Amino acid sequence: DAGVIQSPRHEVTEMGQEVTLRCKPISGHNSLFWYRQTMMRGLELLIYFNNNVPIDDSGMPEDRFSAKMPNASFSTLKIQPSEPRDSAVYFCASSFARSSGNTIYFGEGSWLTVV
Amino acid sequence: SQQGEEDPQALSIQEGENATMNCSYKTSINNLQWYRQNSGRGLVHLILIRSNEREKHSGRLRVTLDTSKKSSSLLITASRAADTASYFCATDSGDGLTFGKGTHLIIQP
Repeated sequence: DAGVIQSPRHEVTEMGQEVTLRCKPISGHNSLFWYRQTMMRGLELLIYFNNNVPIDDSGMPEDRFSAKMPNASFSTLKIQPSEPRDSAVYFCASSFARSSGNTIYFGEGSWLTVV
Repeated sequence: SQQGEEDPQALSIQEGENATMNCSYKTSINNLQWYRQNSGRGLVHLILIRSNEREKHSGRLRVTLDTSKKSSSLLITASRAADTASYFCATDSGDGLTFGKGTHLIIQP
């Protein structure tokens, strides 16, 4: 199993540009999560999907952020327009939801720098 | 919002010693999990303890859970240099995992 695959691994972009982060979850998993990690705020849940449907997007900072999951094997997180304060590591993670508790599998992250 | 809070924020010990990290949380949980993150990498699941369990072992890891005190501890025995990483507790209250800010553990050879 290849694990959760994220792209790009690193991106440097100018303020105002659109940023699209991509994620391929583990095959067979039915839940997908987007997290953001910064030194100041730690690991924050931005949004999660269950069976491709957004369940909770209360963590999305503002309207500049949007996420989609068009099918079970692909999701995107888009920032438009980007700002320097969006600089962070963005993690995608997936799990198979079960009543006994979900173990989440993380990708290696997308390191975003907005200058 | 932050649910789990790890303590200490940083810990430096000698190789071979035991490392103990603590986690406190605020609301009722279904389970609590510990994850590890090596520098520049994603988080990796270590162990899950359910709300009706008090202690769990996995190799050199020992996790305890005290729901009356809303706290958990992670003990790593006979530490190795390769255990150097950040360790996070995550609480599952039925609406996704909420992570603390982590304990940065340094094992000195």
